[in-house]
Amino acid sequence: DARVTQTPRHKVTEMGQEVTMRCQPILGHNTVFWYRQTMMQGLELLAYFRNRAPLDDSGMPKDRFSAEMPDATLATLKIQPSEPRDSAVYFCASGLVRDGQGHQETQYFGPGTRLLVL
Amino acid sequence: KQEVTQIPAALSVPEGENLVLNCSFTDSAIYNLQWFRQDPGKGLTSLLLIQSSQREQTSGRLNASLDKSSGRSTLYIAASQPGDSATYLCALAGYSTLTFGKGTMLLVSP
Repeated sequence: DARVTQTPRHKVTEMGQEVTMRCQPILGHNTVFWYRQTMMQGLELLAYFRNRAPLDDSGMPKDRFSAEMPDATLATLKIQPSEPRDSAVYFCASGLVRDGQGHQETQYFGPGTRLLVL
Repeated sequence: KQEVTQIPAALSVPEGENLVLNCSFTDSAIYNLQWFRQDPGKGLTSLLLIQSSQREQTSGRLNASLDKSSGRSTLYIAASQPGDSATYLCALAGYSTLTFGKGTMLLVSP
């Protein structure tokens, strides 16, 4: 049963600390997305990758957030330094864009990382 | 920029009722529309995907419709059950990304 995995599931940290969240996409998927979910804003796209290349990170605060895909099996989202307003649930999702098509098929979501910055 | 609105924000019904969740969007240039379910503390699960050329999709007790000309989609749930209680989100697919509504929180009471 293929699924997206995320670690850690929960993180409590103090303001100013570095936070790193990890995601393992479904094997064979070529796109990876990072979302943030809050009560006020709902689900917001932070960044996404296709074939490990970053395509869009316009949703991320560039001064403190960074997203990378060191290899096809790992995506990371880092916040440095963290702030209380970063408290949210961060979701990773993966999907497949088939050759010859440009558009995204359905996305498969991980369980999320619940981040609390004190 | 695509904007997605879901009404109502919350809905409570007794078990057995048929119900409709609404989703409206501002940009009809979409590739597909998806309905997701989110249980408390969990990720999102895709329920139905309607391609832009389609008008509806059905899966079990769920039926989703798409009217691009009016910028609307509905999710119909027949004979609701307590296990249907969750938040339902619609998402519009542009070229590669999804734009989500804020969801409708559904509570089905026994």
